[in-house]
Amino acid sequence: GAGVSQSPSNKVTEKGKDVELRCDPISGHTALYWYRQRLGQGLEFLIYFQGNSAPDKSGLPSDRFSAERTGESVSTLTIQRTQQEDSAVYLCASSADRIGASTQYFGPGTRLTVL
Amino acid sequence: GDSVTQMEGPVTLSEEAFLTINCTYTATGYPSLFWYVQYPGEGLQLLLKATKADDKGSNKGFEATYRKETTSFHLEKGSVQVSDSAVYFCALIKAAGNKLTFGGGTRVLVKP
Repeated sequence: GAGVSQSPSNKVTEKGKDVELRCDPISGHTALYWYRQRLGQGLEFLIYFQGNSAPDKSGLPSDRFSAERTGESVSTLTIQRTQQEDSAVYLCASSADRIGASTQYFGPGTRLTVL
Repeated sequence: GDSVTQMEGPVTLSEEAFLTINCTYTATGYPSLFWYVQYPGEGLQLLLKATKADDKGSNKGFEATYRKETTSFHLEKGSVQVSDSAVYFCALIKAAGNKLTFGGGTRVLVKP
C-alpha cells in the first residue's frame, strides 16, 4: 500500500509567519511521530501520537510548536512565529503499534526554509 | 540520557571495497538498534535492525551485530557498489519507548 506522505514537500516562509505541515500515515498505523532534521545533523524527536492516548510532546523545542492528530489519521505540525533556526527538514513516521521495536516508516519530509 | 555516536563522514571508497561504519550507544535497559539509510533525494528507509544482544541484522549485503558488551552496532558490507552511496544513520529505541534516538549520520560515497 501507500507509504507515509507529507505536504508540502518544500515551504519557504518569512520570519514571523506561521506554517502548517501535514502528514498522512500508512493506513492502519496507530502510532505517528514527528522528527526534525537540521542540515548535516541527525534526527531530533519532536512529538509522538498513539491512538487516543495523550501525545508525548517532550521533544517540542518551544511553545511555538504544536501538533494535532485526529484519531489514527492525518496529523498537522504547526509552527507559529517562525524563526530562522526553525529551518530544517520535518519528517513524519508511522508504525503499526507502540512496541518499541516496531519499525517506523518515514515520509519524504517537508523542507522548511525561514528567510 | 540516551545517545548514539557514529563515525563522522564523509567516507569515500572505491567500488568493491569493504565498508565499516562504527556506531556505539549509551542507554539504560535493553534497547533495539537500527540502521536507517537515506539515498540521495529519497526519504529515510530502514536498512536493518536487531532487538537483543548477539542478534545480527542483515539486508542488501549489509550486516550489523548487537554487541551489548561493547554497546556497539557497527555496520559492515563486504563489497560496496556505487548505488550504496548514501547517508547512514544508526539509531536506538527503548523496549517500552516511543522515539528513535539517532546518531548524526555518516555520508558514504562510493566511486566507480
